[in-house]
Amino acid sequence: DAKTTQPNSMESNEEEPVHLPCNHSTISGTDYIHWYRQLPSQGPEYVIHGLTSNVNNRMASLAIAEDRKSSTLILHRATLRDAAVYYCILREGGSQGNLIFGKGTKLSVKP
Amino acid sequence: ETGVTQTPRHLVMGMTNKKSLKCEQHLGHNAMYWYKQSAKKPLELMFVYSLEERVENNSVPSRFSPECPNSSHLFLHLHTLQPEDSALYLCASSQGGGGGYGYTFGSGTRLTVV
Repeated sequence: DAKTTQPNSMESNEEEPVHLPCNHSTISGTDYIHWYRQLPSQGPEYVIHGLTSNVNNRMASLAIAEDRKSSTLILHRATLRDAAVYYCILREGGSQGNLIFGKGTKLSVKP
Repeated sequence: ETGVTQTPRHLVMGMTNKKSLKCEQHLGHNAMYWYKQSAKKPLELMFVYSLEERVENNSVPSRFSPECPNSSHLFLHLHTLQPEDSALYLCASSQGGGGGYGYTFGSGTRLTVV
């Protein structure tokens, strides 16, 4: 599975936008970019995923670089409930493409 | 509630006990997964079931034995565990094995081996 690189931690202020970066320079053409988050004492929660185009949903936006070697998860207005560990994961497009987690980015949100 | 239900939420067991963890999903997904999350470590994929067939076993010791009787249920049978097996065990499901589908996770079972 191709590897991703994320900062260990980031801080944000409440009600401000947050941009969480992810580098994946060895991404292959069929790899999907997935983002999950894990709140304390809970299982991971799906946030968003994409292949080539930018994606938006009710939780966040995903901006994918033109060469697909990096991506950014955008939380438009951080709340205290967004404090979590955010994981950027590449998942192969084929049938055996499993979700392999790294260490993620721990996001702290200050009131 | 995410649509994936795990029971029990907490479990304390002795090293000689036998217990089972249960996972249930009614999302119509056809792939199910067991993950282990130890303190301060990333989630580790343990087992993958696709269409009720085990398709992956990531070098997990035989004291962990999975079972998938149908596409909605997944079990993890535990026997003669060690204290280092204490962890959060997470179940997940997805629509298919391909990268275009997201996973739905349960809240996990917090296991303590004494």
